[in-house]
Amino acid sequence: RKEVEQDPGPFNVPEGATVAFNCTYSNSASQSFFWYRQDCRKEPKLLMSVYSSGNEDGRFTAQLNRASQYISLLIRDSKLSDSATYLCVFDPGGRSDMRFGAGTRLTVKP
Amino acid sequence: GAGVSQSPRYKVAKRGQDVALRCDPISGHVSLFWYQQALGQGPEFLTYFQNEAQLDKSGLPSDRFFAERPEGSVSTLKIQRTQQEDSAVYLCASSGTSPMGEKLFFGSGTQLSVL
Repeated sequence: RKEVEQDPGPFNVPEGATVAFNCTYSNSASQSFFWYRQDCRKEPKLLMSVYSSGNEDGRFTAQLNRASQYISLLIRDSKLSDSATYLCVFDPGGRSDMRFGAGTRLTVKP
Repeated sequence: GAGVSQSPRYKVAKRGQDVALRCDPISGHVSLFWYQQALGQGPEFLTYFQNEAQLDKSGLPSDRFFAERPEGSVSTLKIQRTQQEDSAVYLCASSGTSPMGEKLFFGSGTQLSVL
């Protein structure tokens, strides 16, 4: 099983839609989880951390399911500006580096 | 500086040429990472420094790749005898202390094209 698996998409949704992405990880010792956003030809930027209890930031909700070893990102009321690639990020367990998924590409259309 | 700075922004190399990529992290950041990102893929971990110590180099794809951070600040990623498969964007990131639970700040990357 790969360290991390992420549906590459693309997800093409209309403005105002709700869209959700999942990312599964293989190392049960992983402790830190994040979602990063990467615009075309730009560097990744932190979108939000993912906490065990789930967390929300405006239209974005992140959740962690340790039992099934996946994290999710829900985007409500999609905006054109949400079009980007969303990368799940986690620590590989007991180590200090961070690993990235391949990214899920989202396009929000008018 | 205000952010992570990488240079050059673009590099074109002939196959077999050696290249050196520079990363200037945010002042005071202890942790520094190098990632390789191929087109359409997520960043792949290469190596990690804590201050001047290279704590993990397990992601370096071959012995042609070498990274250093001699004074615990600026880092250089060197690729010897470049091959076409080395063509990618090389991203540098830094964080304050341990990256566990901390935000990574990325530079704009160096796009390497090997002809």
